[in-house]
Amino acid sequence: DAGVTQSPTHLIKTRGQQVTLRCSPKSGHDTVSWYQQALGQGPQFIFQYYEEEERQRGNFPDRFSGHQFPNYSSELNVNALLLGDSALYLCASSLNRGLGGYTFGSGTRLTVV
Amino acid sequence: LAKTTQPISMDSYEGQEVNITCSHNNIATNDYITWYQQFPSQGPRFIIQGYKTKVTNEVASLFIPADRKSSTLSLPRVSLSDTAVYYCLVGVGDGSSNTGKLIFGQGTTLQVKP
Repeated sequence: DAGVTQSPTHLIKTRGQQVTLRCSPKSGHDTVSWYQQALGQGPQFIFQYYEEEERQRGNFPDRFSGHQFPNYSSELNVNALLLGDSALYLCASSLNRGLGGYTFGSGTRLTVV
Repeated sequence: LAKTTQPISMDSYEGQEVNITCSHNNIATNDYITWYQQFPSQGPRFIIQGYKTKVTNEVASLFIPADRKSSTLSLPRVSLSDTAVYYCLVGVGDGSSNTGKLIFGQGTTLQVKP
């Protein structure tokens, strides 16, 4: 039973570029949430997708957008990258928007130079 | 939304019992207390969750006093591999806030020494 899978594991981008991160939820899960974790800080909620729609959003600018596909997988897109976007991006999946708890992936380490 | 306060860091030695206390003075009646563990460059992992009194599983125990304004995560006989950051979260039954998002603080960095 595969857990949450994220790709790529590491990524280096230049300021101003755009990036797409991908997440496959745990088998049986239908909800995907994305978190940003800066070095030395706890994860910060970006948004949550359920039934292919953004259901909740944290305090992140519109440069951060996402998508959920019919197979429940999800993408996180960040436009016009800033140095401050360098972080570990975590995907967490759950059933029915949190029922039974959340399972996290190992994250994508994004470095913006 | 109940705010949590926990120590920034703790040190311990292998084989000792470690207790990490979290304060949550404004916990709501329907809030649960959930603890996550995070190793470097990995996502947080659910450890234990409770509502009141004591909960025990194969890796930890959670003690919650009657007023529920604090909780203590107890790790028995820690090993080097228990070195990690531990987060205390307060929220609805899945550990999230009532809007469905997990609210993480800075967590407690536990360093286990040989």
